[in-house]
Amino acid sequence: AQSVTQLDSQVPVFEEAPVELRCNYSSSVSVYLFWYVQYPNQGLQLLLKYLSGSTLVKGINGFEAEFNKSQTSFHLRKPSVHISDTAEYFCAVSHTGTASKLTFGTGTRLQVTL
Amino acid sequence: GAGVSQSPSNKVTEKGKDVELRCDPISGHTALYWYRQSLGQGLEFLIYFQGNSAPDKSGLPSDRFSAERTGGSVSTLTIQRTQQEDSAVYLCASSWRGQGETQYFGPGTRLLVL
Repeated sequence: AQSVTQLDSQVPVFEEAPVELRCNYSSSVSVYLFWYVQYPNQGLQLLLKYLSGSTLVKGINGFEAEFNKSQTSFHLRKPSVHISDTAEYFCAVSHTGTASKLTFGTGTRLQVTL
Repeated sequence: GAGVSQSPSNKVTEKGKDVELRCDPISGHTALYWYRQSLGQGLEFLIYFQGNSAPDKSGLPSDRFSAERTGGSVSTLTIQRTQQEDSAVYLCASSWRGQGETQYFGPGTRLLVL
């Protein structure tokens, strides 16, 4: 079984400041890693994913994440946030074998203010 | 192009009634997933269809829940004898294939059981 921990339920940040949203996972097998964003009253949209190769992954809207196998982490970062980045962010994992269902963390609410 | 669509967008029902939720995946996507998003449980996997393979039903919470996918396209999630704890947003997602592929989510069906 696998699990995902997002320790920060809410992260307040001022516009143009950097932000890091933390994600740690637990799994006995290899996993793929994902970050999804959910804007109010909308479905989930993929920000970025790690399947293999370079541990630094760049996604949409200026976000990037780094896979750290030894620390079982996949933290999401953005050097300068905008008001429009205010949303709920979900980290997720899936098994690299035959089971492709996503296991999600509890989400982090990013609140960007002026 | 068209994304994943779900209907109805909102559903209010009385406890004990049956409900059907519909998902139209992106054309050509062979994998289809149902998830549930609720305040108490976060985002949970329910069921996964991949081509003609037997579905992965490991996430269905009880035998009141069932789903089918007709013709490898449209899927219906049925909840029989609804309970108040079934109140949640039901999300559908589709992908080209299975593991590692980006899952594209629909806007969800918000179910309220009175």
